[in-house]
This record gives sequence, structure tokens and C-alpha cells, in this order.
Amino acid sequence: QQQVKQSPQSLIVQKGGISIINCAYENTAFDYFPWYQQFPGKGPALLIAIRPDVSEKKEGRFTISFNKSAKQFSLHIMDSQPGDSATYFCAASPRTGTASKLTFGTGTRLQVTL
Amino acid sequence: GAVVSQHPSWVICKSGTSVKIECRSLDFQATTMFWYRQFPKQSLMLMATSNEGSKATYEQGVEKDKFLINHASLTLSTLTVTSAHPEDSSFYICSARRGRLQETQYFGPGTRLLVL
Repeated sequence: QQQVKQSPQSLIVQKGGISIINCAYENTAFDYFPWYQQFPGKGPALLIAIRPDVSEKKEGRFTISFNKSAKQFSLHIMDSQPGDSATYFCAASPRTGTASKLTFGTGTRLQVTL
Repeated sequence: GAVVSQHPSWVICKSGTSVKIECRSLDFQATTMFWYRQFPKQSLMLMATSNEGSKATYEQGVEKDKFLINHASLTLSTLTVTSAHPEDSSFYICSARRGRLQETQYFGPGTRLLVL
């Protein structure tokens, strides 16, 4: 019940295209859904996050779509750029509580080609 | 913004020795710190959660006697890998949470450990 399933495992997108990464969760106690971007040899950096009271959140070229009934959420990267080439992790957790902890997806390696 | 640092950024040690990794929240007090382990091309696996002044809570399957965590202050947590072996070679990442909300959790840059 703690799993977060992420797909695809890897993704190749042409420059200017749309990158789409999907995640699904099972635990209904999760109410915080962040996406992290990680470059090789670096720690993950928060990209964008959503709470289940909204169905979509957009920040620049990055958009999270959230489907509460299906327990799914996705990251869309518009106008993908070579600099976006990185590994992306979705995560989920209860939003509050000293004992709450993030459960990470398995990651998606994105390569944006010229 | 909130900054979390780790020291060292990379370390090479001989099998059987112990290695200490520091995690510091530079501009905020962290009520909770987390330690993760990441193998190449894999996801982050939570090892333990620590709160200042109390014992760390380890995830199932993590040897608490091998991975010693000390959260001595609101800005510093240390992870000591005792009697390190080659299979302990990994990328260790800490994160620090400023309050009770997950939005206030910030990750460090990671420490690469290579045990020869």
C-alpha cells in the first residue's frame, strides 16, 4: 500500500516536444505529491508539487495533472529542452505529521535530443 | 532559500573502516532529518528518520548497528557507516525538514561512498 508506481522507466523526447511521466499510488492517506529532478551525482531538487484539492498545477513549462479518483498524477514538461535531460522522481506522502515520510517512485530517465 | 549541505561530497575508504557523513541545515533549524541511500540508476531508499535529541527510527531491513545516526542539534545530523564493506558503496543523501509540512523538506547534494 506504500508503493508509488512510475512509468516509463526511460523517455526520449525531441527538443520542443512534450515529456509526460506518470505515477500511481495506493495509499489514500497520501495528500502531498511532489516531483523531483535529479542530475547525475547530485541530490534531488524539488521541481513542482501538488495537493489533492486541485486537479492541475502549472509552473512555467512544468505541469502536474492530478486524478484523485484514479489515484494517479503526472508530470508534463512542455517545450522540452536538452537541459531538462535528467532523472525525474515522483513521490507521495501525508502532508503533515512528524512521522510522515516521502515514498518515491522508481524514476524516469529523460533524454531530450536536439 | 533553504540550504542543506553534506560533507564530504565523496569519500573512498578501505574495507573495515568507519566513515562519518555530516548533514547540515545551513539557514534553518531542522526538526526532522532523513537519510537515504541510492544505488546507480535506482530510486532513493529511506534508511532512517531522525529527530533532534531522540533516537533515529530505522526502516525495515536497515541495520541500526551498522548505520549509526546522531542528530545532535537542530542543524546537524551525522551518519556513520561502521566497518564499511564494498557492498556499502553507494550515494548517500540526507534531507532536512523545517517543520511538520512536507513542503519544507529540502535535500542535500549527496555523498558518494566507495569502499575498496
